[in-house]
Amino acid sequence: EDKVVQSPLSLVVHEGDTVTLNCSYEVTNFRSLLWYKQEKKAPTFLFMLTSSGIEKKSGRLSSILDKKELFSILNITATQTGDSAVYLCAVVGYGGSQGNLIFGKGTKLSVKP
Amino acid sequence: EPEVTQTPSHQVTQMGQEVILRCVPISNHLYFYWYRQILGQKVEFLVSFYNNEISEKSEIFDDQFSVERPDGSNFTLKIRSTKLEDSAMYFCASSGPVEKLFFGSGTQLSVL
Repeated sequence: EDKVVQSPLSLVVHEGDTVTLNCSYEVTNFRSLLWYKQEKKAPTFLFMLTSSGIEKKSGRLSSILDKKELFSILNITATQTGDSAVYLCAVVGYGGSQGNLIFGKGTKLSVKP
Repeated sequence: EPEVTQTPSHQVTQMGQEVILRCVPISNHLYFYWYRQILGQKVEFLVSFYNNEISEKSEIFDDQFSVERPDGSNFTLKIRSTKLEDSAMYFCASSGPVEKLFFGSGTQLSVL
């Protein structure tokens, strides 16, 4: 059965800290891995990774995929209170149709001032 | 920036009633999806829709569920006879040919 496991489930840090969120997965014929940020309702897209070892970066956020070890990390540097959210990891395999994302439970990040 | 819009934001219904959740996907997207999230649980795939037909549906998407694209802009999810366990946040999403999904803000469905 395809699955995505995120760790930690929750994390409390102070502004300015750097955090690393983890996502490990098992999926038949891996196709891509996506990170989303869920603040109140809608998950908002952060990154999509398909190739191993390539870092995707956007401002203070970055992510890397290790297809051999079947995991990805999401790094946030110099955290701000606005980074407080649930971060979701999702994978897609070739066994499913386009857009059949398998989500993890998420990591709830709380950034204290 | 274009976005997926969903209406209503909240829907309260009695068990056994029919509900229709509405979505307007991003205009140039061709792939449409419904997901749901029961409180405290994972976001779960329900159905994908492309070229006016269902591409894939999950085990959750039983005969009580249906989707429709009644015109060029709307995409709807109908639950024929709601059950208590259908209470959840329902997300509509759309994408282009790459599976970078854009999600709407969701409809919180409460079945009493």
